[in-house]
Amino acid sequence: NAGVTQTPKFQVLKTGQSMTLQCAQDMNHEYMSWYRQDPGMGLRLIHYSVGAGITDQGEVPNGYNVSRSTTEDFPLRLLSAAPSQTSVYFCASSYSNTPDGYTFGSGTRLTVV
Amino acid sequence: GDSVTQMEGPVTLSEEAFLTINCTYTATGYPSLFWYVQYPGEGLQLLLKATKADDKGSNKGFEATYRKETTSFHLEKGSVQVSDSAVYFCALRGDAGNMLTFGGGTRLMVKP
Repeated sequence: NAGVTQTPKFQVLKTGQSMTLQCAQDMNHEYMSWYRQDPGMGLRLIHYSVGAGITDQGEVPNGYNVSRSTTEDFPLRLLSAAPSQTSVYFCASSYSNTPDGYTFGSGTRLTVV
Repeated sequence: GDSVTQMEGPVTLSEEAFLTINCTYTATGYPSLFWYVQYPGEGLQLLLKATKADDKGSNKGFEATYRKETTSFHLEKGSVQVSDSAVYFCALRGDAGNMLTFGGGTRLMVKP
């Protein structure tokens, strides 16, 4: 199994550009989420989804959009990139109704100049 | 809301030293508790977990015990190795069962 696959691994954007970070999982997990990791701040939840067609905001949703048209995919869209969005982004997935932890992708390092 | 507090790093130890990384939490009900490890340049990997009070999670020589009375889940290892150098995150998954709440992470550096 591939687990959680994120693309691209690295990206440089100019301020104002838009882009989509891709996330796909092949474990038939209902729950998927996006986190950003900034130095000294741990991981903060951006958006999450509890199933296809259902999404909700996390702690830091501003400037990001998500959709969940299939169980497997959960793309994260940056509408108009800003330097404050320079970060490492992680996608994670899990079964529902379980006390287990999430499986994480390897991350996307985004720099906005 | 739920929150996790863990000791700030970096923690610098010599090889074979004893490790403790403190973690305390605030949550309603009975959350599940986790330790994740992040090696340089990689994503997060689940290190161990505990799902109810007094459970002890263990893996790769690391241990942590779910202490509901003190709302703590401290990570310990009896003898660290250079290969244990990484960032360690304490996290919880609340009764709602949806999301993980993370602590700020603790960087561990082990010197030969």
